[in-house]
Amino acid sequence: GAVVSQHPSWVICKSGTSVKIECRSLDFQATTMFWYRQFPKQSLMLMATSNEGSKATYEQGVEKDKFLINHASLTLSTLTVTSAHPEDSSFYICSARGLGKPYGYTFGSGTRLTVV
Amino acid sequence: AQKVTQAQTEISVVEKEDVTLDCVYETRDTTYYLFWYKQPPSGELVFLIRRNSFDEQNEISGRYSWNFQKSTSSFNFTITASQVVDSAVYFCALSANSGGYQKVTFGTGTKLQVIP
Repeated sequence: GAVVSQHPSWVICKSGTSVKIECRSLDFQATTMFWYRQFPKQSLMLMATSNEGSKATYEQGVEKDKFLINHASLTLSTLTVTSAHPEDSSFYICSARGLGKPYGYTFGSGTRLTVV
Repeated sequence: AQKVTQAQTEISVVEKEDVTLDCVYETRDTTYYLFWYKQPPSGELVFLIRRNSFDEQNEISGRYSWNFQKSTSSFNFTITASQVVDSAVYFCALSANSGGYQKVTFGTGTKLQVIP
């Protein structure tokens, strides 16, 4: 079955530093990647959608200069949280959709980011 | 615009009881998919079921069953003979066209606690 690997599982960083989260589709080509953010005891909120080779489309209220998304290949997308602040602490989850599977979404295992 | 409503915030049941999780959705799309996901404390999303808008046949899969009613825009999920391992947050989600592209919208989740 389709597998999406997300790394790291958890990360602690200092305020002001940048953190990169990777999302890889292991056995299929991910034409579209989605990035979600989840605050404690809340739902998943879509941050952005990226298609391979194109600029990401950000949801309203999400700062594109702060949350840099790169989807340079069909198997890898990265989310970089730049100049992280404690309020960026959250659970980030990626999701990938493959070619020919418009409604088949595979989720990564998530990354818990703590900014101190 | 699309929206998913899970009115039940938390539910507690005693082991072996049946439990139904409610989900109501809104979309203007005529073609869409509905999902149920389980999120245990570890955080990863576990895919449970998917249903497309053209198939209202309700099915049973093991201890899981669902009731899809287009007339009331509901997609309820039932666990029979609940077990402690079923304790988790359950999300209902809708995949439909929004702003020209497909995206998944999640409900706010229902926390299920199964008491031994």
